[in-house]
Amino acid sequence: EAQVTQNPRYLITVTGKKLTVTCSQNMNHEYMSWYRQDPGLGLRQIYYSMNVEVTDKGDVPEGYKVSRKEKRNFPLILESPSPNQTSLYFCASTLAGATNNEQFFGPGTRLTVL
Amino acid sequence: GQQLNQSPQSMFIQEGEDVSMNCTSSSIFNTWLWYKQDPGEGPVLLIALYKAGELTSNGRLTAQFGITRKDGFLNISASIPSDVGIYFCAGPSYRNNNNDMRFGAGTRLTVKP
Repeated sequence: EAQVTQNPRYLITVTGKKLTVTCSQNMNHEYMSWYRQDPGLGLRQIYYSMNVEVTDKGDVPEGYKVSRKEKRNFPLILESPSPNQTSLYFCASTLAGATNNEQFFGPGTRLTVL
Repeated sequence: GQQLNQSPQSMFIQEGEDVSMNCTSSSIFNTWLWYKQDPGEGPVLLIALYKAGELTSNGRLTAQFGITRKDGFLNISASIPSDVGIYFCAGPSYRNNNNDMRFGAGTRLTVKP
């Protein structure tokens, strides 16, 4: 089944404790992105990657890091989480050149930073 | 920037009623997309529009891309309980090869049986 998976789905952590949220897609998509969703703000892009070893900042990159060592994986790293990073996070992938730019989203990771 | 402004923010309707929501921007978009997010899940693409003025239907959904490429609407006819969710308009930014997707803040739809 074609899908984007994220782990963990739920995470409660404390300020300053490094964490990684994994994202994996099995569709051989070139493009991958991370978004955060907050009430009243919709989806805001954190980082995106156009291919292996190619990453760039989105609209809200502060406090986050990403890497793209393999095509299928795009982990999101919070080196020192803070309470304002409490949010719902989505990973998405897109096939390069897709006419409709369709993004396939993972199921989301709900992060709480105390 | 290329922001998308959606309205209304939320809607509470009775099953069977029609729904209309819209989205505007001060910037031009090449492609106009509508996504739906079911409770507890990630967004899923509903409709994609490519041409200015394009009107398209998909079952009970009807969407149009504005003639100026700066706005669009989504209509849902004869709503049913499974229409509940958040609807987002979206469009690719010019910042790179269309991987930078901009989303509106969403319209949260509640359907009362």
